[in-house]
Amino acid sequence: NAGVTQTPKFRILKIGQSMTLQCTQDMNHNYMYWYRQDPGMGLKLIYYSVGAGITDKGEVPNGYNVSRSTTEDFPLRLELAAPSQTSVYFCASSFFGSRGYTFGSGTRLTVV
Amino acid sequence: ELKVEQNPLFLSMQEGKNYTIYCNYSTTSDRLYWYRQDPGKSLESLFVLLSNGAVKQEGRLMASLDTKARLSTLHITAAVHDLSATYFCAVDFIIQGAQKLVFGQGTRLTINP
Repeated sequence: NAGVTQTPKFRILKIGQSMTLQCTQDMNHNYMYWYRQDPGMGLKLIYYSVGAGITDKGEVPNGYNVSRSTTEDFPLRLELAAPSQTSVYFCASSFFGSRGYTFGSGTRLTVV
Repeated sequence: ELKVEQNPLFLSMQEGKNYTIYCNYSTTSDRLYWYRQDPGKSLESLFVLLSNGAVKQEGRLMASLDTKARLSTLHITAAVHDLSATYFCAVDFIIQGAQKLVFGQGTRLTINP
């Protein structure tokens, strides 16, 4: 019963490098989300997906890309990493209209 | 604009005291969540409030929802050190058929012996 799995848990990137944060859920949820949490702050929505093949921007999408080719996977791509992207990234999933969200354990990213 | 605002943002209190955290939101919703986050950890679900007047209690924590006032409260009774954490409220908004969960800024609660 894995729920939402995020990899890696920690990563250090150099400025200008790129990487993909992985998120997989095994609950057949149609909705998936990516959030970032800066130190001492709340979670801000980066991108979300309402189902395979459908994604849309959240509050802070600049510098990121996503894709959703399957129900299970929702990777987040960082191109040309910048220090401002140093943050903890959380992936979440849900059914539309359900009574809760399932969060992953987070990926702590540092850009130096 | 979808906004969720908590207050206070920081709260330092003595063990044994009572206090309330407030969560206001900008647009109609009848689905609100409270989460707890310990340092370096993910979010732990505390309460799911799904209708106007909903009240839920777990141990020393009680949450309520007033959808007409767009207000939720998290009340702490006789606080103990173990409740020290950051507490977030989050609201489900349905915008153009899509469901988005928007978080408040969080309330960092410190309970001193």
